[in-house]
Amino acid sequence: TQLLEQSPQFLSIQEGENLTVYCNSSSVFSSLQWYRQEPGEGPVLLVTVVTGGEVKKLKRLTFQFGDARKDSSLHITAAQPGDTGLYLCAGAGETSGSRLTFGEGTQLTVNP
Amino acid sequence: NAGVTQTPKFRILKIGQSMTLQCAQDMNHNYMYWYRQDPGMGLKLIYYSVGAGITDKGEVPNGYNVSRSTTEDFPLRLELAAPSQTSVYFCASSYRRILAGPSSYNEQFFGPGTRLTVL
Repeated sequence: TQLLEQSPQFLSIQEGENLTVYCNSSSVFSSLQWYRQEPGEGPVLLVTVVTGGEVKKLKRLTFQFGDARKDSSLHITAAQPGDTGLYLCAGAGETSGSRLTFGEGTQLTVNP
Repeated sequence: NAGVTQTPKFRILKIGQSMTLQCAQDMNHNYMYWYRQDPGMGLKLIYYSVGAGITDKGEVPNGYNVSRSTTEDFPLRLELAAPSQTSVYFCASSYRRILAGPSSYNEQFFGPGTRLTVL
């Protein structure tokens, strides 16, 4: 069974601060995705990374896939209250087909 | 496109009752999934389908059943509700994005969820 561990589980910061969320596993993933979920809604895909060492930027969000494709990070620069939400990483194993394994999430609160 | 729709949004069941959670997508996706999300937790896969007529178990299938008679619909059935099935249920669909070379991946699109309480 592939597991994804996210850290930290909870993060409360002030507007304008920077933060990094981590997603780690002992397993290799063929691709890794980050989703954001707001209260009362389903997760929404932010990004997919597929190549070891890949870095993708989405405005103030920077996503990185580890060289060995076992870990990923999400860095937010100058966080805003609108960034508040549950951030979930999800990995597709090399033999898992269309199934994803989800981490337990990082609950981010950005205070104005 | 409406995307992925789920009904009902909320439901309270008594122990032992049965119900069907409805899920439909209008994006012509082959792949569909049912997840449950418990408070403060990630998503656990209950069942999934790679196409009409094909379903398979995920991590936590016990107490649930599914069917996939059309591409659009993927209902989830609870036969004998138990308090342990109190959760938020999400349906998702996906398509396979093919990249250059052998790489490909699925992007999953989620419905708004059904909040189920079993008392």
